[in-house]
Amino acid sequence: NAGVTQTPKFQVLKTGQSMTLQCAQDMNHEYMSWYRQDPGMGLRLIHYSVGAGITDQGEVPNGYNVSRSTTEDFPLRLLSAAPSQTSVYFCASSLQPPSGGAWTGELFFGEGSRLTVL
Amino acid sequence: GDSVTQMEGPVTLSEEAFLTINCTYTATGYPSLFWYVQYPGEGLQLLLKATKADDKGSNKGFEATYRKETTSFHLEKGSVQVSDSAVYFCALSVHTGNQFYFGTGTSLTVIP
Repeated sequence: NAGVTQTPKFQVLKTGQSMTLQCAQDMNHEYMSWYRQDPGMGLRLIHYSVGAGITDQGEVPNGYNVSRSTTEDFPLRLLSAAPSQTSVYFCASSLQPPSGGAWTGELFFGEGSRLTVL
Repeated sequence: GDSVTQMEGPVTLSEEAFLTINCTYTATGYPSLFWYVQYPGEGLQLLLKATKADDKGSNKGFEATYRKETTSFHLEKGSVQVSDSAVYFCALSVHTGNQFYFGTGTSLTVIP
């Protein structure tokens, strides 16, 4: 079972360069999201999507773009990398939350992508 | 706003010691509560969850009880093993938004 697949696992960029982190899931999950993990700050939500063609901002969206053209894929784009974007990035997916209720399902995470911006 | 507060780490224990990692939350409405675990070099995976007050989640010897009166969801294990060494994250979800809120994580190291 592939689950959630992220590529690349490691990347080094220079300030001002652009790149795309890829995320794909094979579980037919409607919900997909991107988090960044920084020491002492836990996981912070960057962007999320509740289905193809629908995206929304999370807690820390500045400097990142997303799109959702298919159910399977949810790429994260860094338009002009900055040292502050040095982090570990995680993609996660889940079934849609029930209407009007709190989420009870599980988030499935990829293995992470470690990005260093010099 | 909605948030989760975890005890600071790192935590170092000897094998077979008792583990408690504290977690308290602030939430609008009635949240669901989760513990996720991250082993070295891996993504997070669900350890256990509880979806309503007084529920107890359990898995792999770990337990946590959803306490609405104290807004807490403390993680416990009676006898830790070296293989439990990992980072543990408390998290919540609420019905008002499409996101989870994670704590800062608590690093646990178990020594033989």
